[in-house]
Amino acid sequence: DIVMTQSPDSLAVSLGERATINCKSSQSVLYTSISKNYLSWYQQKPGQPPKLLIYRASTRESGVPDRFSGSGSGTDFTLTISSLQAEDVAVYYCQQYYSTPWTFGQGTKVEIK
Amino acid sequence: QMQLQESGPGLVKTSQTLSLTCTVSGASMSSGSYYWSWIRQPAGKGLEWIGHIYTSGDTYYNASLKSRVTISVDTLKSQFSLRLYSVTAADTAVYYCARWDNGNDDAFDVWGQGTMVAVSS
Repeated sequence: DIVMTQSPDSLAVSLGERATINCKSSQSVLYTSISKNYLSWYQQKPGQPPKLLIYRASTRESGVPDRFSGSGSGTDFTLTISSLQAEDVAVYYCQQYYSTPWTFGQGTKVEIK
Repeated sequence: QMQLQESGPGLVKTSQTLSLTCTVSGASMSSGSYYWSWIRQPAGKGLEWIGHIYTSGDTYYNASLKSRVTISVDTLKSQFSLRLYSVTAADTAVYYCARWDNGNDDAFDVWGQGTMVAVSS
């Protein structure tokens, strides 16, 4: 199984400041033949299901604010919130779909400082 | 806009079978290239993919659960279902059904609200 490890487990950021979440996979999730990274990011607020933010490592889902961006390739990925808003308080998960079983990171909790 | 809704018992006895149904509304299950998926989340913990089914009936399961899981689909009823056999307390979790868009997003782009299932003797 591909193990997804996120860091940090939690972070507190001031409103308007940048939040950065890292995700590392135990093996590459890059399909070299098509140059696509099979990694997505989700946001989960308390009592709600996860919401898709980013797929293929860097493509923003329709309707997701442009302050959310994804980057990285191979085994190392980053989700960046460029200017944290109060409504961004949530737990964020990365997920690989390169191979089954599809696996998620343990989650990173983002709070307001 | 497609919506998913889980339904089923909130309490299952140890060693019994957990059965959940996900009802799809707002669009046909066969209208695109989708995998119909089940994911679970124990309280305060992370997400675990259980498995998914294509409308053709092809299934993919998490190997850690494969011997105890069956996912089925009924496109005429716009439903897909999860059966988890021989449950223990470790199966207590919120169970989500979700749509995996295999054509556009390559992601779980639509989720149900989730249903809490507790396993107890």
